[in-house]
Amino acid sequence: QKEVEQDPGPLSVPEGAIVSLNCTYSNSAFQYFMWYRQYSRKGPELLMYTYSSGNKEDGRFTAQVDKSSKYISLFIRDSQPSDSATYLCAIKGNTPLVFGKGTRLSVIA
Amino acid sequence: KAGVTQTPRYLIKTRGQQVTLSCSPISGHRSVSWYQQTPGQGLQFLFEYFSETQRNKGNFPGRFSGRQFSNSRSEMNVSTLELGDSALYLCASSGEDSYYGYTFGSGTRLTVV
Repeated sequence: QKEVEQDPGPLSVPEGAIVSLNCTYSNSAFQYFMWYRQYSRKGPELLMYTYSSGNKEDGRFTAQVDKSSKYISLFIRDSQPSDSATYLCAIKGNTPLVFGKGTRLSVIA
Repeated sequence: KAGVTQTPRYLIKTRGQQVTLSCSPISGHRSVSWYQQTPGQGLQFLFEYFSETQRNKGNFPGRFSGRQFSNSRSEMNVSTLELGDSALYLCASSGEDSYYGYTFGSGTRLTVV
């Protein structure tokens, strides 16, 4: 079983939709949870991070962690064409960052 | 504040050759990590350096090596290149507390022909 599983998509939504991106992980020792966004021909860019179960909101983005289910989510409200990118979950314990394979999102105007 | 700088951006090499990639971290960051990104495998951890010492190493063959200099700049080297080494190589730097994420460079796109 891979340490982090993420549906690769692709996911295509109309502008203004609510987007839900998800990852599951297997190791309960993971304590720190991050979401990165990667545009084409660029490196990943840190969007959000959290270390506790529950929700963390930043503008149109909400990160949700459920440690009991080993499940993390990223919600994007009022999605925009500029949100079109690959979104990667990343998880860390006392180890280097482990990444999901990424979900490619396209927001259609 | 300058970001993470990786050079070169693009590289084409022939099978059997070796290659050296360079990474300059954010000023003040002492930790540098390297990742290989491919469409099939995603981002895979290569190694991490902190204050010139390798702190962690991923599951890659010995052809992949790295080092870090006293100014925190890092290089990675791949010897005896194989076609499967074609990938985007990403460098990331972090401060003392790396639990809140790394800052990535734009990567070096290596193509092995």
